[in-house]
Amino acid sequence: DIQMTQSPSSLSASVGDRVTITCRASQGISIYLAWYQQKPGKPPKLLIHSASTLRSGVPSRFSGSGSGTAFTLTISSLQPEDVATYYCQKSAYDPPWTFGQGTKVEI
Amino acid sequence: EVQLLESGGGLVQPGGSLRLSCTASGFTFSSYAMTWVRQAPGKGLEWVSSISDYGQSTYYAESVKGRFAISRDNSKTTVYLQMNSLRADDTAVYYCVKAPGSGWYSDYWGQGTLVTVSS
Repeated sequence: DIQMTQSPSSLSASVGDRVTITCRASQGISIYLAWYQQKPGKPPKLLIHSASTLRSGVPSRFSGSGSGTAFTLTISSLQPEDVATYYCQKSAYDPPWTFGQGTKVEI
Repeated sequence: EVQLLESGGGLVQPGGSLRLSCTASGFTFSSYAMTWVRQAPGKGLEWVSSISDYGQSTYYAESVKGRFAISRDNSKTTVYLQMNSLRADDTAVYYCVKAPGSGWYSDYWGQGTLVTVSS
């Protein structure tokens, strides 16, 4: 099975900072990666699919990049409402469609 | 508006069974694969099971294979998760999620239903 590893597991940054979260796949998955945001007590929300396609309605300060085994989620200017845990997920090829372990973002 | 409403969660003893249901609305249910994802208390997300649009293909995580069964009734726009031989480590919030037209990510999530396995 392909493993998904996120780093860091948590981070603290200031409002306005640029924040980068990394997700690595144990084997190449082309661009088949999604990113989710989960706020406490709420279900996750899709932010990005196909590694870099921003879902409609998601603020443009969020962006994704990468292909193969290395991917990044970037928040260009961190806002208070971005406090959440972020997950990556392998989104194609054979199951399991594994999630990363999550990155908790705090201010 | 897409809505996914889970039901059927609750407290069950180890070794017991439970059936979760998820009723969907706001989209053409029979055109999309559906998935169950769970989250143990304070833990991350775990993909559990998926079913194709007409139910012809089903997929399971190793942790639930042989114990859980996913099914769907397109006439009722409902997807089910039959959970047997439940263990303490199955305790989690179970989310019903909709897949997009291509790929196995999740574009819409339900609010989740809590399953607690405890004596």
